[in-house]
Amino acid sequence: DAKTTQPPSMDCAEGRAANLPCNHSTISGNEYVYWYRQIHSQGPQYIIHGLKNNETNEMASLIITEDRKSSTLILPHATLRDTAVYYCIVRAYNYGGSQGNLIFGKGTKLSVKP
Amino acid sequence: GAVVSQHPSRVICKSGTSVKIECRSLDFQATTMFWYRQFPKQSLMLMATSNEGSKATYEQGVEKDKFLINHASLTLSTLTVTSAHPEDSSFYICSARDPGLAIHEQFFGPGTRLTVL
Repeated sequence: DAKTTQPPSMDCAEGRAANLPCNHSTISGNEYVYWYRQIHSQGPQYIIHGLKNNETNEMASLIITEDRKSSTLILPHATLRDTAVYYCIVRAYNYGGSQGNLIFGKGTKLSVKP
Repeated sequence: GAVVSQHPSRVICKSGTSVKIECRSLDFQATTMFWYRQFPKQSLMLMATSNEGSKATYEQGVEKDKFLINHASLTLSTLTVTSAHPEDSSFYICSARDPGLAIHEQFFGPGTRLTVL
């Protein structure tokens, strides 16, 4: 079972920041937080990952709370092409056995509106 | 990022036939590949993990004799749906890891939509 909880859907106005929350209260010390997104009828796309520090790349920023029990993915200037289902996943750093498998939950369906 | 391709992108077949789906890593060698299945309006469900040169590891509830996985080379894994039935109609997605790149990234193919009539 997925170890994260996300709201089922969110709306965002084009050009505004989209803030997608994720709860992972049972995260273990060796588990990273990953974000992927899936545009309709396509394969998932990697966005960003982090352990405990905030991270930023060309696509998004990831803010992880100090206790690591929740995080927020930020798309700074959402566009219509960012409309997708966003998945927050926790995965162990050690890829041994099944711990390293990406297990998808239900995700958040983000709709960016003009 | 690295590229993973799938072929075919879409297939329609009659009930009882077998269908083979190919997953290729185009610019890296993937020692581990994964197969997922996604039903309409649902999330991705991991079916199996395949390691090059060894037998695949199937998730609980996935019939290994029905979903045959072969990972014969570092760039190709195949999933064969044997004796397909309408309930096997789904979106099948493969994924691959490249141990030579940043270990955190896992790349996904574009998916194959299977429709069994």
